[in-house]
Order: sequence, then structure tokens, then C-alpha cells
Amino acid sequence: AQTVTQSQPEMSVQEAETVTLSCTYDTSESDYYLFWYKQPPSRQMILVIRQEAYKQQNATENRFSVNFQKAAKSFSLKISDSQLGDAAMYFCAYRSAFGAGSYQLTFGKGTKLSVIP
Amino acid sequence: DVKVTQSSRYLVKRTGEKVFLECVQDMDHENMFWYRQDPGLGLRLIYFSYDVKMKEKGDIPEGYSVSREKKERFSLILESASTNQTSMYLCASSLFYSRSSYNEQFFGPGTRLTVL
Repeated sequence: AQTVTQSQPEMSVQEAETVTLSCTYDTSESDYYLFWYKQPPSRQMILVIRQEAYKQQNATENRFSVNFQKAAKSFSLKISDSQLGDAAMYFCAYRSAFGAGSYQLTFGKGTKLSVIP
Repeated sequence: DVKVTQSSRYLVKRTGEKVFLECVQDMDHENMFWYRQDPGLGLRLIYFSYDVKMKEKGDIPEGYSVSREKKERFSLILESASTNQTSMYLCASSLFYSRSSYNEQFFGPGTRLTVL
């Protein structure tokens, strides 16, 4: 079974600065998808960014980008120009591309990000 | 935009009560999911459904059951609530994987259930 590890339970960043959240995963599969979800306090969980394993180019969505290292099984999230609204729990998630595991996401335990004004 | 709604944001029940949590999605998604979220444990899958009347156990199905009579609605049932089922419950939906390569899940706002 796949596992997802987020080694930083909590992090903080100064407003306008850059922060990187780490995520590693364990899998024997070569084809899969990776996601970062954001859950603001008392608000709905939303997708931030996604990456296909067979795409070497790192995904970017505005101020959010990933550093995907397939060999190292690492999928870190970089937030540039941090804003107060970025304060949230961030979850890294893995999904198999095929088979029974393709139906479900495996989540890390989350990183709580605080943004300091 | 996909909209996933859950019947209650907050719910307080007593031990032994039967509890129904309802989830509705409006985007014709085939897959629906129920997760439980606890501090320090992340999200854990309870059950999912890939079609009407179909269901599959997730990682922690014990003490729960589900019902999917219509495509847009997925219910989580606690037959006899216990205090260790106090938690945040999240519902999610997604397209069937062959219709979308990413198959990302869209989440509801969550139901915070307290069992006394």
C-alpha cells in the first residue's frame, strides 16, 4: 500500500515571503497522480495543484508550484509571495493511475501553515 | 463549479443513537467518498461508491455503513454512535477515472459530529 508522509506538522512564513512544504511518498508504481489540497480554517478543502507522474515538467498555478522528484519520491509545494489567505492546513495526496487504488486518494497527515503579518 | 453539500455543519448525538450524514453533489460524478478527519491523523477513507447501489470499504469501515440510492446522494450511517466516532466527516465526489485522468476529488464543507 502507498503511504504519504508530510514531515512538518506546522510551519510559519512571513507575509510576502516564500515557503516550501515537503511531501514524500512510498510506492512501487510508475504511473500515478499527486495533489496538494488546502483546507482553510472552518472552510472547505480545495485543490491547489496537481501533477502527473509521467510528466517531468513541474506544475505551476500562479503563486503555487511544485518540485516533483520522481526518483526521490518527493513532491514539495512552494508558495511564493505568501498572503494571509494562504494560512491553512495543507494535505499532500497520492492516487494510483490504474487498478483498485485508482479510485481513492491516500493523504498525508497535513501541514498547518501560519502566515505572519 | 462542482458543488458538494453536506446536510449539517455541526451535529451532536448521544451514544447509541443512529446517525445519518447526508452528502449531495450536483455535477453528475460517478464516485463519492466519505472520509473521517482527526487531528494528527489526516483524512482516512471510510467508504466509497463508484455507482448507484455500489459501495466499497475504505481503510476504516468498522462501525459505519453507507447508502447510495441515487447518483447524486451518498449517505453515511452510524448504526449505534459511540464516543470514539466523534470527528469531522468529509464527503467528496469525483468523475469516474476513465473520464478524467486526474480524477481529483471535490470536497464538501464537512460535518463536525460530537457523540456524547
